[in-house]
Amino acid sequence: EAGVAQSPRYKIIEKRQSVAFWCNPISGHATLYWYQQILGQGPKLLIQFQNNGVVDDSQLPKDRFSAERLKGVDSTLKIQPAKLEDSAVYLCASSLISIGQGLVKNIQYFGAGTRLSVL
Amino acid sequence: DAKTTQPTSMDCAEGRAANLPCNHSTISGNEYVYWYRQIHSQGPQYIIHGLKNNETNEMASLIITEDRKSSTLILPHATLRDTAVYYCIVRVRDNYGQNFVFGPGTRLSVLP
Repeated sequence: EAGVAQSPRYKIIEKRQSVAFWCNPISGHATLYWYQQILGQGPKLLIQFQNNGVVDDSQLPKDRFSAERLKGVDSTLKIQPAKLEDSAVYLCASSLISIGQGLVKNIQYFGAGTRLSVL
Repeated sequence: DAKTTQPTSMDCAEGRAANLPCNHSTISGNEYVYWYRQIHSQGPQYIIHGLKNNETNEMASLIITEDRKSSTLILPHATLRDTAVYYCIVRVRDNYGQNFVFGPGTRLSVLP
């Protein structure tokens, strides 16, 4: 089974420039997540999609970050304009949430991430 | 905020068992505990999850206390490749849904 694919693996830009990241989730996974991981910290959720609808974008800096999942499969995350503090690894994850007997099982599978450096 | 507490770092000798503890005293009765690890320059990798019974798979064993307030991930024979940051995660319920909140995790160093 193919895993979560992300590209590019690395990106270096100057502040105020724009950048976009792409994610292809595991086939059949309806839920897709974008996380930001700053060096030395755990990943922080930016946005969660269920199919092509946004479930949670409460931590997405909407003045500069945007994300879409138009056909409920691939997703792109964009930063425009970038700031120095956006330097981080951007991780995409997908999951197939299962619900039964009052229990919700949600195993997320992560891509390798895109390492962004803003100079 | 993460709802779990883990030691910042641990060392383990190669070939020995690595026991990584996690406190999740506020876990609700119907929530799973998930464990992930992150090797340098890679995305987090799913290891195992459990509800109340002990679990074992090809990667690790998970021991959950009877009151479910803590758990221990066991790597029975640690190798150098097990050096990573290990995250213990309980989903956080908020107004938007139920999502993972990652804490800083435990940095495990397996020593030769």
